[in-house]
Amino acid sequence: ILNVEQSPQSLHVQEGDSTNFTCSFPSSNFYALHWYRWETAKSPEALFVMTLNGDEKKKGRISATLNTKEGYSYLYIKGSQPEDSATYLCASSGGSNYKLTFGKGTLLTVNP
Amino acid sequence: GAGVSQSPSNKVTEKGKDVELRCDPISGHTALYWYRQSLGQGLEFLIYFQGNSAPDKSGLPSDRFSAERTGGSVSTLTIQRTQQEDSAVYLCASRPQGRGGDTQYFGPGTRLTVL
Repeated sequence: ILNVEQSPQSLHVQEGDSTNFTCSFPSSNFYALHWYRWETAKSPEALFVMTLNGDEKKKGRISATLNTKEGYSYLYIKGSQPEDSATYLCASSGGSNYKLTFGKGTLLTVNP
Repeated sequence: GAGVSQSPSNKVTEKGKDVELRCDPISGHTALYWYRQSLGQGLEFLIYFQGNSAPDKSGLPSDRFSAERTGGSVSTLTIQRTQQEDSAVYLCASRPQGRGGDTQYFGPGTRLTVL
C-alpha cells in the first residue's frame, strides 16, 4: 500500500443503523493514525489519534480500531443519527515533521 | 479557548492575480501546517513550519506558491499569478510542540475560486 485509501467513498444509511468505514495506510514510516470528522464550511474535527497496534478508542457512539501490522483502521458508528452526516477523513502521520497524509474521505449521509 | 482561524473564508479572484491567505494558529502551538483540497482530491500537504522556519516545503506545487510565518504565530500563504487549477479549499492546522502523535487542530479553511 503506497497511499492512504478509504472505503467506501460514500454511504447512505437510515437513522438508527450502525455503520463502519475502512482506512488502509502504508505501514512503513508510520507514527500515528488520525480520524477526523468534517462538515461543510466547518473545521475538520479531530476524533481519534492512535499509535499502537491493537489500539481501540471510543467517543460516545463512535469508536475506532488500529492494526499497524497489516495497515488498516476501522471507524464504527453505532445507531447513526442525522447529525452524524459528514465526511470522515483518516490520515497517517510519520517522518520528521509528522505531516498528515490523508485519504479522500468517506461521505456519510444519515437519512431521518 | 480560541481555535485556529483563517481569513478570508471565501476568495474569488481572476486568473493572473495574486492572493494572500491568512492563518492564526492556536496560541503557543509551534508547529503549523498548510494543506489544500482540490476538487475530487484528498487533503494534500503543502508546507510545514516549526516556529518561523519552514523545514519542509515539499508540497508546494510551484514557485508561484510561498508562505511565511512571523513571531511564531500568524502565517500567510501567497499565491502569485493564480491559475484555475489553484482553485481549492486551503486549510491551516497547528500542533503543540513535542509529541508527534498530538492532534493537529484545523481552521475552517479558505475556499479559493480562480475564474
